[in-house]
Amino acid sequence: DTEVTQTPKHLVMGMTNKKSLKCEQHMGHRAMYWYKQKAKKPPELMFVYSYEKLSINESVPSRFSPECPNSSLLNLHLHALQPEDSALYLCASSDGQGRGGNTIYFGEGSWLTVV
Amino acid sequence: GQNIDQPTEMTATEGAIVQINCTYQTSGFNGLFWYQQHAGEAPTFLSYNVLDGLEEKGRFSSFLSRSKGYSYLLLKELQMKDSASYLCAVRANNQAGTALIFGKGTTLSVSS
Repeated sequence: DTEVTQTPKHLVMGMTNKKSLKCEQHMGHRAMYWYKQKAKKPPELMFVYSYEKLSINESVPSRFSPECPNSSLLNLHLHALQPEDSALYLCASSDGQGRGGNTIYFGEGSWLTVV
Repeated sequence: GQNIDQPTEMTATEGAIVQINCTYQTSGFNGLFWYQQHAGEAPTFLSYNVLDGLEEKGRFSSFLSRSKGYSYLLLKELQMKDSASYLCAVRANNQAGTALIFGKGTTLSVSS
């Protein structure tokens, strides 16, 4: 099983709403990632969690708040977003960090539209 | 800092062979990945190189030269379904941790 599951697949939210994106993997991976991808652009790294601790925050605005409740789950809490935050949000996971041969698997993504 | 370059667009015909090049400059290099992404879908893993040389997997092969900061993805016997964006991504370690950084992607169009 090399599956990373993301929910919801599509989300439309207003600028005053609070919502969350969820990501789950059962591969025993200890590193999980959030990426943001705009149309016709490559994925951009937002956050990295390693062993349930935030290890990288790529200067992401505080209206995006990640959370790693346990080693299988990764959430992205959204509050007071702007229309320009509309994008595909990709979750990924890999088996630890710094070791060779660790493929990074992506979920199918959550399409977010902010209105 | 990190810099990853790959051509923006390429075209080819069915049955042909195409090579997509990627050059990179990074510190803490810990592997190079190629992903395929169809429009509206998430990236799909194609190949991984951490040592110099060629990795072959069916119709796809990937090559790495760490001393030159260079990789290529070779696609053989092209099919229409190979029309997609191909993303070169470098995994790099730094003090904060390890992350996968993507190039801008190469859009490949395969015609009959």
